[in-house]
Amino acid sequence: DIQLTQSPSFLSASVGDRVTITCRASQGISSYLAWYQQKPGKAPKLLIYAASTLQSGVPSRFSGSGSGTEFTLTISSLQPEDFATYYCQQLNSYPFTFGPGTKVDIK
Amino acid sequence: EVQLVESGGGLVQPGRSLRLSCAASGFTFDDYAMHWVRQAPGKGLEWVSGISWNSGSIGYADSVKGRFTISRDNAKNSLYLQMNSLRAEDTALYYCAKDYYDILTGYAAHWGQGTLVTVSS
Repeated sequence: DIQLTQSPSFLSASVGDRVTITCRASQGISSYLAWYQQKPGKAPKLLIYAASTLQSGVPSRFSGSGSGTEFTLTISSLQPEDFATYYCQQLNSYPFTFGPGTKVDIK
Repeated sequence: EVQLVESGGGLVQPGRSLRLSCAASGFTFDDYAMHWVRQAPGKGLEWVSGISWNSGSIGYADSVKGRFTISRDNAKNSLYLQMNSLRAEDTALYYCAKDYYDILTGYAAHWGQGTLVTVSS
């Protein structure tokens, strides 16, 4: 199975900060990667698919990049509504594993 | 508007079975693959299983393979998860999610609100 790691696991940031989260795969997954945002008590929300394609309706301050084994999610200017947990997920092969998550908290 | 409503969760003893359902509306159900994803209390997300539009392609997490069975009834716009030989570690909120395409890409833009399964004696 393909394992995903995320760094950092926890991030404390201020409104307006540029935030970068990294996701690494245990083997190459081309661009078969998604990023999700989850807020407490809510279902996950798809932000990015195919590593860099912004899901419809998602603000342009979110962007994704990478291919192969290393990927990044960047929030260009953190907004109050962005404080949440972020997960990457590989879609290259079954099982479609998720990363352990990165919690973004208010500094 | 896409709606996914899960049901069938509850408290069940270890070793017993439970069947989850997901009622879909607001889209042409048999045009899309579907997934089950779970989240144990206070933990991260775990993809459980997925099924293509015509049930021709199915995948499972290693942790449930041989115990859980995913199925769908396109005539009833419904997705199911038959869970057998339940264990304490299966305790989680189970989400139903709609794929982007008819094949299993895994990209899920629409999710239900989940149904809670608690496995305990």
